[in-house]
Amino acid sequence: DSGVTQTPKHLITATGQRVTLRCSPRSGDLSVYWYQQSLDQGLQFLIQYYNGEERAKGNILERFSAQQFPDLHSELNLSSLELGDSALYFCASSVEQVSYNEQFFGPGTRLTVL
Amino acid sequence: GQQLNQSPQSMFIQEGEDVSMNCTSSSIFNTWLWYKQDPGEGPVLLIALYKAGELTSNGRLTAQFGITRKDSFLNISASIPSDVGIYFCAGLNAGNNRKLIWGLGTSLAVNP
Repeated sequence: DSGVTQTPKHLITATGQRVTLRCSPRSGDLSVYWYQQSLDQGLQFLIQYYNGEERAKGNILERFSAQQFPDLHSELNLSSLELGDSALYFCASSVEQVSYNEQFFGPGTRLTVL
Repeated sequence: GQQLNQSPQSMFIQEGEDVSMNCTSSSIFNTWLWYKQDPGEGPVLLIALYKAGELTSNGRLTAQFGITRKDSFLNISASIPSDVGIYFCAGLNAGNNRKLIWGLGTSLAVNP
């Protein structure tokens, strides 16, 4: 158990809908990272927040947005969903702002768009 | 986006055999990381490498940071059934320290 929690574990929805994925980092971790994992693209970095502020952006679509709240939990919002958005979405956390050697991953949310 | 070339894509071996996999890039990296992902779980960091030529072990796992800084290798000795999973390499490009670049993974199956 990494200490990072993600909810829900599974999510099934229809095209055009909007969903929110939630992540709680390990106690004491200030950075949260969001990743998308699909079969043909591997792990794709989406976005990073550090202590409530956006710190780095990856291949995140404009239909997707995220935020980190004062209690440090984070939410990833996916809107106007398309079939191709079906994937595993992972959240990871670390203590430092740039600490890729100590990034702890949650169990993921499996999103299926029908 | 940029990805690392990781090979082989999959391996099926007998218990007790040694395993080698590698990761290459066209650009220079200053950090290499190796993760393992079990089914239904998130990736777990196995080994981190920070210097060209560095050789680091973690139990039966050994990883090396290539001297050209464009590749890295992971070896698993005397494989056991619980080694099954997907192994990912990830690296920090020398020109962009904020984003990890990931390989597509090597899927390992071990026949007991």
